[in-house]
Amino acid sequence: DAKTTQPNSMESNEEEPVHLPCNHSTISGTDYIHWYRQLPSQGPEYVIHGLTSNVNNRMASLAIAEDRKSSTLILHRATLRDAAVYYCILRGNSGGSNYKLTFGKGTLLTVNP
Amino acid sequence: SQTIHQWPATLVQPVGSPLSLECTVEGTSNPNLYWYRQAAGRGLQLLFYSVGIGQISSEVPQNLSASRPQDRQFILSSKKLLLSDSGFYLCAWSTLTGGAYEQYFGPGTRLTVT
Repeated sequence: DAKTTQPNSMESNEEEPVHLPCNHSTISGTDYIHWYRQLPSQGPEYVIHGLTSNVNNRMASLAIAEDRKSSTLILHRATLRDAAVYYCILRGNSGGSNYKLTFGKGTLLTVNP
Repeated sequence: SQTIHQWPATLVQPVGSPLSLECTVEGTSNPNLYWYRQAAGRGLQLLFYSVGIGQISSEVPQNLSASRPQDRQFILSSKKLLLSDSGFYLCAWSTLTGGAYEQYFGPGTRLTVT
């Protein structure tokens, strides 16, 4: 599986934008970029995914570099409820890799009031 | 809308006892189903996944087994628990939506083996 690299932790202030980076220099042409987050004592929650173009949904935006070797999850206005571990994951697009997500250590986001 | 249920929420079991954790999904048909484990302070590890009734793929050799007796039911079992089986067990489901296969997780079962 192609690997991702994320900072171990980041801090933000409430109501400010947060940019969570992810490097994936060995991404293949058909890998999807997925982001999940895990709040304390809960299961992971799907946030957003993309392939080549930038994506927006009600939770966040995903900015994908033109060469696809990095991406950034953008929370436009952080709230205390956004404090979580954020995982950047590459999902393959063939055979059994369609189904599997490999979770790394993610980025622990702390939001200060 | 789709809902995923897991039970029990918490469980304390002695070493050597059997285990059965159940997961059910509502509101979707023929989902892919997954069991993950998260040991204390560790990342999520995929244990099993299933693409259909009776079809189970194991990701890591271990003391656990999985079964899928019905389309939307996924069961995690063990004949004899080990201390190392303690952890947070999560069930998840996915379907092909626009090629994404995004996964949706249940509330989890926190298992302590004593």
